Amino acid sequence: NAGVTQTPKFRILKIGQSMTLQCTQDMNHNYMYWYRQDPGMGLKLIYYSVGAGITDKGEVPNGYNVSRSTTEDFPLRLELAAPSQTSVYFCASSYSQGGGDTGELFFGEGSRLTVL
Amino acid sequence: GQQLNQSPQSMFIQEGEDVSMNCTSSSIFNTWLWYKQDPGEGPVLLIALYKAGELTSNGRLTAQFGITRKDSFLNISASIPSDVGIYFCAGQANTNAGKSTFGDGTTLTVKP
Repeated sequence: NAGVTQTPKFRILKIGQSMTLQCTQDMNHNYMYWYRQDPGMGLKLIYYSVGAGITDKGEVPNGYNVSRSTTEDFPLRLELAAPSQTSVYFCASSYSQGGGDTGELFFGEGSRLTVL
Repeated sequence: GQQLNQSPQSMFIQEGEDVSMNCTSSSIFNTWLWYKQDPGEGPVLLIALYKAGELTSNGRLTAQFGITRKDSFLNISASIPSDVGIYFCAGQANTNAGKSTFGDGTTLTVKP
């Protein structure tokens, strides 16, 4: 069982370039999330989705976009990369129980992005 | 937005010692969760707590959901070298909102 898979694992971008971080999960989870983790800090929520076709902003959405066309996939797009977006990005998913989100997150291994 | 204060920021202990860390919040959470992150990997869920006052164990780990719903603690008994890593608390205010707030983590170092 693969769980949550993120690609690429590492990427270096130049300022102004764009790219998409891919995330897919094979657990049929309704909820999916993108977090960023800066050195020595906790995880900040960028965007999340409660199901296919539905996305919403988290705490730090500026400079990012997402889409959720299927249950399995939740790509994160950076349109104009900036040095402030240098970070480790984690995709996660969780399942619903009793009509609500359990909050129990399953994380991918992370995508380490450097913007120079 | 909601913030979690996690302490201590780091701990250096001897193998075999017990460890305690905690999280506090100015607002109420309905769910408290504790994760561990190994270097170069994503966080992994250790314990989830759903009721105020709940005390839950997972092997040598024990976590409690504070009565006020504004705090939680994690204890690790008889630490071993593989306990090394960063421990994060997370709180979820609304089961319908689908999002968690994370603390900044406690970095644990265990000396053999």
